[in-house]
Amino acid sequence: DTGVSQNPRHKITKRGQNVTFRCDPISEHNRLYWYRQTLGQGPEFLTYFQNEAQLEKSRLLSDRFSAERPKGSFSTLEIQRTEQGDSAMYLCASSLQGATEAFFGQGTRLTVV
Amino acid sequence: EDQVTQSPEALRLQEGESSSLNCSYTVSGLRGLFWYRQDPGKGPEFLFTLYSAGEEKEKERLKATLTKKESFLHITAPKPEDSATYLCVPGSNTGKLIFGQGTTLQVKP
Repeated sequence: DTGVSQNPRHKITKRGQNVTFRCDPISEHNRLYWYRQTLGQGPEFLTYFQNEAQLEKSRLLSDRFSAERPKGSFSTLEIQRTEQGDSAMYLCASSLQGATEAFFGQGTRLTVV
Repeated sequence: EDQVTQSPEALRLQEGESSSLNCSYTVSGLRGLFWYRQDPGKGPEFLFTLYSAGEEKEKERLKATLTKKESFLHITAPKPEDSATYLCVPGSNTGKLIFGQGTTLQVKP
């Protein structure tokens, strides 16, 4: 499968715990995006990378959120001290640089109990 | 501020009943207009890219068109398997995609 891969698909965690999600983009894509989606809403932009550089971060990305793409390939999104409001689907997408379509993974559904 | 508005928010059609979904947008430095389909619990699936006013793209029962401020997704003789949320997504010159709420389509047999 050469699509965008996200792991895990589902994560249930207790409030206050830290969680980390992984995204493996399509191999030749140098742009990688993270979005968050809650029920009934469209995806909200969180951050994006061009190669290993994090070029933009949303105001939604509080200090508890951090994303990395250390070698310009896979990316991780970490949420520290999770809150119930963090429960959502976290989507990763990748694209070639420029005005090209982005391809999404199947998402990681986070439930904070 | 970059914005996208899709209408209607929800649409119920009988199988075979054609209709159109509307997308109006305000984006500085528009770089492409993308349509995605999203099924419940899954990531968005890419459908079309439109780059310039007057451009049209087709795929099976779907046809997307673009003007300077709007895009339309026409659905001809829909089937129940076309039921999904359709997302119109302008791309900005930073590469960031701008999502609205989408239109949730339900096609009844």
